[in-house]
Amino acid sequence: AQSVTQLDSHVSVSEGTPVLLRCNYSSSYSPSLFWYVQHPNKGLQLLLKYTSAATLVKGINGFEAEFKKSETSFHLTKPSAHMSDAAEYFCVVSHTKGDTGRRALTFGSGTRLQVQP
Amino acid sequence: DTGVSQDPRHKITKRGQNVTFRCDPISEHNRLYWYRQTLGQGPEFLTYFQNEAQLEKSRLLSDRFSAERPKGSFSTLEIQRTEQGDSAMYLCASSFSRGMNTEAFFGQGTRLTVV
Repeated sequence: AQSVTQLDSHVSVSEGTPVLLRCNYSSSYSPSLFWYVQHPNKGLQLLLKYTSAATLVKGINGFEAEFKKSETSFHLTKPSAHMSDAAEYFCVVSHTKGDTGRRALTFGSGTRLQVQP
Repeated sequence: DTGVSQDPRHKITKRGQNVTFRCDPISEHNRLYWYRQTLGQGPEFLTYFQNEAQLEKSRLLSDRFSAERPKGSFSTLEIQRTEQGDSAMYLCASSFSRGMNTEAFFGQGTRLTVV
């Protein structure tokens, strides 16, 4: 079984200040972890992914995340927020099912990031 | 645009009516997924196709829901006798099966409102 907890449903920051979106996961497997972003009326876009290589993962638009196995965390950070970062962010844990080959994605409930001017 | 496309983007229907949504995956992707997303929640898995075979269905997919993927290309999701609880965003995603950690690409979704 696997689950994801996004610790904050809403985060508000000022433009130019750091962003921290927190995610804790639980998985019976060696997980792959992802962060997706969803802008209003847009599909989900992959920001970055962890797949058991480097624990510090760099993604698009200046975002990065650090996998900490001891803390079962995969927090998303960005040094300096931009107005265009305002969106919903989803932390996702994944494993591949052996019987069907499906990549089973379990989504967190999302964190809405507001960026104030 | 070569991404995943979904049609329609929005659908308003009366309770009891049938609706059908279409998803066109990225052309070389052999895996296709349907998810449902309700307000304030992350997407939840509905069903999965590899090529034309429907290999997995979630318990969320009641008997009123049916999905097809003829010829392993586009897919349709039909909801019969819609209920207000079916109101949600229906997301389609596709991926390629080669390699262990292939990314799923999502469409923009179809927002269904049942009145």
